[in-house]
Amino acid sequence: NAGVTQTPKFRILKIGQSMTLQCTQDMNHNYMYWYRQDPGMGLKLIYYSVGAGITDKGEVPNGYNVSRSTTEDFPLRLELAAPSQTSVYFCASSRDRPASSGNTIYFGEGSWLTVV
Amino acid sequence: AQSVTQLGSHVSVSEGALVLLRCNYSSSVPPYLFWYVQYPNQGLQLLLKYTSAATLVKGINGFEAEFKKSETSFHLTKPSAHMSDAAEYFCAVSDRGGGSQGNLIFGKGTKLSVKP
Repeated sequence: NAGVTQTPKFRILKIGQSMTLQCTQDMNHNYMYWYRQDPGMGLKLIYYSVGAGITDKGEVPNGYNVSRSTTEDFPLRLELAAPSQTSVYFCASSRDRPASSGNTIYFGEGSWLTVV
Repeated sequence: AQSVTQLGSHVSVSEGALVLLRCNYSSSVPPYLFWYVQYPNQGLQLLLKYTSAATLVKGINGFEAEFKKSETSFHLTKPSAHMSDAAEYFCAVSDRGGGSQGNLIFGKGTKLSVKP
């Protein structure tokens, strides 16, 4: 009963380094999302995907890239890490977009990233 | 643009007392509304959602919320708080009109503390 699985759980990066946060879901969901959560700011959408091969920018995409080669996987790439990217990152998925009959979004357990 | 406001970043109640967490949305079209809970160091879990079937929505763990169109509100309540309810709660809205591509817009969250 895995749901949405993201790795790593914790990571410390140096400024200028790059890394990929991995995300996979086993619910055959079409939609996948990456959010970042900063204290007192709620969740902000970075990128989302409506299906394999299709991605689009969310509210805060700068400094990130994504790809969606399969239905299951939606990795988030950080290029040239900056201290402003210190945050908690959540991957999520839903069968369809929330505006369609209020589809539920399911979240992974989060990845804590610190850039020093 | 669609937005959601959670009044009070921190709420403290005594065990057994009423829990009331406030959420107001801005939309001319009644949206889909969600409440999520986040326990420390975990991802977000759906508590309940409003999809227009009924204005009073019951969720997990004894929580419920009432959609009030005239007040553009979707406040979360629980008659009797339990220590295990201590967590952060997020209200989220999805725009049926297609704004934000129908994705979820999250409030900034309310941290609930429960005193013994």
